Amino acid sequence: DVKVTQSSRYLVKRTGEKVFLECVQDMDHENMFWYRQDPGLGLRLIYFSYDVKMKEKGDIPEGYSVSREKKERFSLILESASTNQTSMYLCASSLKGRYEKLFFGSGTQLSVL
Amino acid sequence: RKEVEQDPGPFNVPEGATVAFNCTYSNSASQSFFWYRQDCRKEPKLLMSVYSSGNEDGRFTAQLNRASQYISLLIRDSKLSDSATYLCVVNERGSGTYKYIFGTGTRLKVLA
Repeated sequence: DVKVTQSSRYLVKRTGEKVFLECVQDMDHENMFWYRQDPGLGLRLIYFSYDVKMKEKGDIPEGYSVSREKKERFSLILESASTNQTSMYLCASSLKGRYEKLFFGSGTQLSVL
Repeated sequence: RKEVEQDPGPFNVPEGATVAFNCTYSNSASQSFFWYRQDCRKEPKLLMSVYSSGNEDGRFTAQLNRASQYISLLIRDSKLSDSATYLCVVNERGSGTYKYIFGTGTRLKVLA
């Protein structure tokens, strides 16, 4: 089975802190994604990557950056956390190809105080 | 207009009932389609892919109508354990790869 592991299940940070969310997958997937999920808004794509060192903006990239130095790891960075970034963050991965399934990590509930 | 739209529900149905959800998408160039299930405070998990000819997996049937740009999910003989949020997912060509666009989900409650 594909395993996508997110480093923290719950995280509490203060406004202005730099926050790192880590995600590792063990199935040699080319694609990796970061979403945030908020009530009533569903999952929204922040950034994605289709190869090492490649990154593409999703629908809501403002206030975030990403890093993919190794194929298995995709990090989401909040440069200066704000309260409106309090959310559930979900990492996912897939093989390339239009019919490939998306596999999720268990999520990180981030609270910014 | 949202790219992928779903009725948020909740759909409250008795055990044993048949229930159907629809999902519409706006990009006619969308490539592939999926239904995911999400339990409360858990990550989404793949329920089934949706094929052009329609497909069935046990009590679940998925249909795709490209002309009208909608997909559907039918659940027969509902079980209490089917209570969850069902997410419609559309795969579109993005930069360098395909990206997955999610609907906001339809909540189902199956009642004893």
